[in-house]
Amino acid sequence: QKEVEQNSGPLSVPEGAIASLNCTYSDRGSQSFFWYRQYSGKSPELIMSIYSNGDKEDGRFTAQLNKASQYVSLLIRDSQPSDSATYLCAATGFQKLVFGTGTRLLVSP
Amino acid sequence: EAGVTQFPSHSVIEKGQTVTLRCDPISGHDNLYWYRRVMGKEIKFLLHFVKESKQDESGMPNNRFLAERTGGTYSTLKVQPAELEDSGVYFCASSQGPTSGAWGTDTQYFGPGTRLTVL
Repeated sequence: QKEVEQNSGPLSVPEGAIASLNCTYSDRGSQSFFWYRQYSGKSPELIMSIYSNGDKEDGRFTAQLNKASQYVSLLIRDSQPSDSATYLCAATGFQKLVFGTGTRLLVSP
Repeated sequence: EAGVTQFPSHSVIEKGQTVTLRCDPISGHDNLYWYRRVMGKEIKFLLHFVKESKQDESGMPNNRFLAERTGGTYSTLKVQPAELEDSGVYFCASSQGPTSGAWGTDTQYFGPGTRLTVL
């Protein structure tokens, strides 16, 4: 079993819709969770971080964490074609990041 | 402020050769990490420096890999001799360190990566 699991996708949504990206993790010692966006050939870019159970909102992005279910999600409202990228979920308990394989999101105009 | 930079962006070498990758972290960042992504797999941790000291090298695959960070500034990752399975994208990341005592609050900023191809 992988430590951090994501559906590889692609997840296809029309422009303006809500994109929902999900992630589960196996290490209950994980304390913090991160969503990175990666465009093809580019570096991973931090979108959201979340440490406490519940929701955290930043602009069009909302991260949700449920430690009891070991589940993290990222919602993107009003999706734009420029949001098309691979979204990487990462967990950390102590310094090093443990990544999932990423979910490819395609937003069609 | 300049981000994390890596050199070269691409490297193609033959099996058995040596390659050295370089990472320049964001100025003032004491923490420097190396990660690797092999095709089709997730990004995996290799090692972590705090200044010039190796804090965690549990992800280094074998003794063909040698990382250094002399003076606590830039870092190099040498692969000698390279094997076919070493092909992948090598990412470097840097961070300031935790602001509240909890490492989970520390943000790692990634460089563009070096794509290594071993033929």
